[in-house]
Amino acid sequence: AQTVTQSQPEMSVQEAETVTLSCTYDTSENNYYLFWYKQPPSRQMILVIRQEAYKQQNATENRFSVNFQKAAKSFSLKISDSQLGDTAMYFCACNAGNNRKLIWGLGTSLAVNP
Amino acid sequence: DTGVSQDPRHKITKRGQNVTFRCDPISEHNRLYWYRQTLGQGPEFLTYFQNEAQLEKSRLLSDRFSAERPKGSFSTLEIQRTEQGDSAMYLCASRPTWLAGPYEQYFGPGTRLTVT
Repeated sequence: AQTVTQSQPEMSVQEAETVTLSCTYDTSENNYYLFWYKQPPSRQMILVIRQEAYKQQNATENRFSVNFQKAAKSFSLKISDSQLGDTAMYFCACNAGNNRKLIWGLGTSLAVNP
Repeated sequence: DTGVSQDPRHKITKRGQNVTFRCDPISEHNRLYWYRQTLGQGPEFLTYFQNEAQLEKSRLLSDRFSAERPKGSFSTLEIQRTEQGDSAMYLCASRPTWLAGPYEQYFGPGTRLTVT
């Protein structure tokens, strides 16, 4: 069975600062993918960044980057130059197997303060 | 590409009533997923379709829940004899499978169900 753990229920950061959200996962699959999704208040889930497990290079999308440590099964998200619009719930998710269903963490509520 | 749409966005119903939600995936996305998200939690997988075939159902999907995707396009999720514990956000997502890769699932805005 797959599990995803986010150990930080809430975090806050000052605008323009950098923040790192933690995620650990467990899966017996060799072929899997990891995602960070963002869910702003009362708005829909959108993808922030993805990482293929077979790639050693950490994914980067503009101000968002990950630190993927495969041996440790760790997948943290770093947000640089935080903006007020980054305020949201952030979910770490993993998919594996033929069905590719997503297994989710409980989320981290991030508040960016002006 | 108009995105995944869900209808209704909000539904308030009395306990014991039946409700039906609709999801329209992105055109030509042959995989469609349903998730349930309760307040303060991450989404939980309910079921998924490849085209019109329902290939997996979670144990969370009790006998009161049924999902269909009759023509491989839109999908419906019906809950019979609703209970207060069914109150949640019901999320639909779709993705293509004709290309290899980690293509993410695209989510709709969700249907928020409140059972009184």
